[in-house]
Amino acid sequence: NAGVMQNPRHLVRRRGQEARLRCSPMKGHSHVYWYRQLPEEGLKFMVYLQKENIIDESGMPKERFSAEFPKEGPSILRIQQVVRGDSAAYFCASSPSAATEAFFGQGTRLTVV
Amino acid sequence: AQSVSQHNHHVILSEAASLELGCNYSYGGTVNLFWYVQYPGQHLQLLLKYFSGDPLVKGIKGFEAEFIKSKFSFNLRKPSVQWSDTAEYFCAVTLYNTDKLIFGTGTRLQVFP
Repeated sequence: NAGVMQNPRHLVRRRGQEARLRCSPMKGHSHVYWYRQLPEEGLKFMVYLQKENIIDESGMPKERFSAEFPKEGPSILRIQQVVRGDSAAYFCASSPSAATEAFFGQGTRLTVV
Repeated sequence: AQSVSQHNHHVILSEAASLELGCNYSYGGTVNLFWYVQYPGQHLQLLLKYFSGDPLVKGIKGFEAEFIKSKFSFNLRKPSVQWSDTAEYFCAVTLYNTDKLIFGTGTRLQVFP
């Protein structure tokens, strides 16, 4: 059973471009979380999704950021018109149901140049 | 707002020393509690979890944690640390009313031989 798969592992974008981060949850998991990690700041919750639904996006900036978890395919975190401050590691986690253990992917390290 | 606090940001120990990392949460309802570890350059892995029952929970690699409901705490302990325990440790809480998994800011542990 493959773990949570995130790709790409590393992503370099120029300011103003779009970044698309993908997360394939573990088989049978219908809950996905996205977090951003900055040095010295720990893991910041961004968004919590179930299949086709956004449950809680209270941690996601209102502008430029969006997330989806379609019925088929991976969850996507999209950042439009990236700025230098978006540079960070973005982690995805999945769980089989609510309020249970979450399994993490390896993360995508986004660098905006 | 619900939150998770880890008061020790950086802990430095010698091998064989005892470890206790603090974790407090602010929420009066039912919670599930977790400790995750992130070794350098790797993704987060679950150390241990508490859902219900015995408040003293044993996890992998000799770690344990005690849930004290009256203190809203879930401190992580290990009697004798090893150099290989050098990592960042995150406490996390899932709130039953939101199912959102919230993390503390993390504690960086450095163990010197």
